[in-house]
Amino acid sequence: DVKVTQSSRYLVKRTGEKVFLECVQDMDHENMFWYRQDPGLGLRLIYFSYDVKMKEKGDIPEGYSVSREKKERFSLILESASTNQTSMYLCASSLFGTGTDTQYFGPGTRLTVL
Amino acid sequence: RKEVEQDPGPFNVPEGATVAFNCTYSNSASQSFFWYRQDCRKEPKLLMSVYSSGNEDGRFTAQLNRASQYISLLIRDSKLSDSATYLCVVNRLDGYNKLIFGAGTRLAVHP
Repeated sequence: DVKVTQSSRYLVKRTGEKVFLECVQDMDHENMFWYRQDPGLGLRLIYFSYDVKMKEKGDIPEGYSVSREKKERFSLILESASTNQTSMYLCASSLFGTGTDTQYFGPGTRLTVL
Repeated sequence: RKEVEQDPGPFNVPEGATVAFNCTYSNSASQSFFWYRQDCRKEPKLLMSVYSSGNEDGRFTAQLNRASQYISLLIRDSKLSDSATYLCVVNRLDGYNKLIFGAGTRLAVHP
């Protein structure tokens, strides 16, 4: 069965802190994605990766960075957390490189920045 | 204008009802279309792909109108378990092929 896990379900951080969100998939998928989901705005793509050590900016990369050192792991980093980064963060993976394959999501991390 | 627009709802319907959701998209070059389902406090999951000729999966029927750039989802004989948010998803090709998610339409089925 497809499995995407995220390191935390809930996180509370303070403004200015460096925040790491981890995502692991066990399906040997090529592509991995980070989204944030906010009411009324839907899921917005932050960054994605189509291969180990490769990364591409999504639609809202400002204030974020990513790391993909191993195929199964994709990390999202908030260099200096701000209150407007309070959101639900969803990681996803997909098998092929076409970008439109089924995306399998993790359970999400609800981040609150105070 | 949002790339993918949906009526946020909620649609409150009794069990057994037929309900339809529409979604419009702005990029006429989009080629791939999907409906994802997201239960409350859960992650989105693929419900079905949408094909040009229309397609059906049990009680669910998806249709695509390229000329008007809208996608529909019809649910017949609604069940309590259909209560969820339905996300309309369209691809955008700008260097890489990406999925663009609508904000979702919430459905509440009551006894």
